[in-house]
Amino acid sequence: SQELEQSPQSLIVQEGKNLTINCTSSKTLYGLYWYKQKYGEGLIFLMMLQKGGEEKSHEKITAKLDEKKQQSSLHITASQPSHAGIYLCGADNQAGTALIFGKGTTLSVSS
Amino acid sequence: DAMVIQNPRYQVTQFGKPVTLSCSQTLNHNVMYWYQQKSSQAPKLLFHYYDKDFNNEADTPDNFQSRRPNTSFCFLDIRSPGLGDAAMYLCATSRVVGQGSGYTFGSGTRLTVV
Repeated sequence: SQELEQSPQSLIVQEGKNLTINCTSSKTLYGLYWYKQKYGEGLIFLMMLQKGGEEKSHEKITAKLDEKKQQSSLHITASQPSHAGIYLCGADNQAGTALIFGKGTTLSVSS
Repeated sequence: DAMVIQNPRYQVTQFGKPVTLSCSQTLNHNVMYWYQQKSSQAPKLLFHYYDKDFNNEADTPDNFQSRRPNTSFCFLDIRSPGLGDAAMYLCATSRVVGQGSGYTFGSGTRLTVV
């Protein structure tokens, strides 16, 4: 079965610093999703990537999917306290019937 | 705004007492999913409905059931909650089944079992 591994598991950065979160799949990715989750709340959609080499940006967050479609990175520029939360990568399962998730990366931003 | 709404946000139930969690959507999506997320773990798919077609994950305990009376509503029934069923339950929808469909999640229901 397909597995998603996220790194790091947790991250503490100073406000204003840049950071990167990685998501590696055991199998080829056909759809890669990034979500943000505040503690105890639901998932907020950030971005979806499908094509090898694709890159998308929204405000200060950029996500990339590598050419081989097995790894994605999420980069935050000039982090702010509002960026704090749990970042989850998700991928279409092999059957194409639902999403599977990585275990998440907990981001804390200190001011 | 079109959205996925879960009620209640927080649910406390007694050990062994049946409980039902609710999900509604105004997106008119064909597919509705239920995920279970335990503390510090990835959300885990329990089952999904494609229209009225129910699809259970192989490792979903029999204690968990679901109903979808119409396009807009989907319910998660836990027949005899145990302490291990305490978790965040997330409902999601997608227009179709298939890679790259796009998913919309509700805010979740946090279930506590006492």
